[in-house]
Amino acid sequence: GAVVSQHPSWVICKSGTSVKIECRSLDFQATTMFWYRQFPKQSLMLMATSNEGSKATYEQGVEKDKFLINHASLTLSTLTVTSAHPEDSSFYICSAPNGRAYNEQFFGPGTRLTVL
Amino acid sequence: AQTVTQSQPEMSVQEAETVTLSCTYDTSESNYYLFWYKQPPSRQMILVIRQEAYKQQNATENRFSVNFQKAAKSFSLKISDSQLGDTAMYFCAFSANDYKLSFGAGTTVTVRA
Repeated sequence: GAVVSQHPSWVICKSGTSVKIECRSLDFQATTMFWYRQFPKQSLMLMATSNEGSKATYEQGVEKDKFLINHASLTLSTLTVTSAHPEDSSFYICSAPNGRAYNEQFFGPGTRLTVL
Repeated sequence: AQTVTQSQPEMSVQEAETVTLSCTYDTSESNYYLFWYKQPPSRQMILVIRQEAYKQQNATENRFSVNFQKAAKSFSLKISDSQLGDTAMYFCAFSANDYKLSFGAGTTVTVRA
């Protein structure tokens, strides 16, 4: 099946710094990718839809200036957490539709962000 | 907006036994898809099974099967012959035409040896 990768898998940063997370579709093109946030033992919360060639669409309550999304190519989307604070510590997951039937999506392995 | 409800936070089952996870959803869409995803301790999301709303026949994938009741907006997952590797968090999810996934709160399944 199709593979989606994320880099890094784990990052620790100091409060006030910015962190970039990459999401790549390895063997298929994705004009759309999705970014989720997940707290421990909770569900996935959709943050935004990343669109290749246009601006990202953010879900209600998600600060677009805080979470910058750039869909640089048909295989790469990046999420930058700007001026990170401890409350931004979470597990971030991306997904990409497989482009075929059933609306199936492939998920990246996730990135654990810890802000000190 | 779509909502997905999983009312069982935790379930425990003996190895080789059967467990059923419940899921209800609310939507005004006529064409949509329903999924069950598994998230083991590695936290990698794994598709377990999917169901197209226009299909009346319940989906089956080996030991996993669903009971899809469209009128009742119910989509339960049955895990038969439970194995230790089935221990994970299970999420019910809904998707319509925009590919966006709406997830339920999740059910933690523990398989006991």
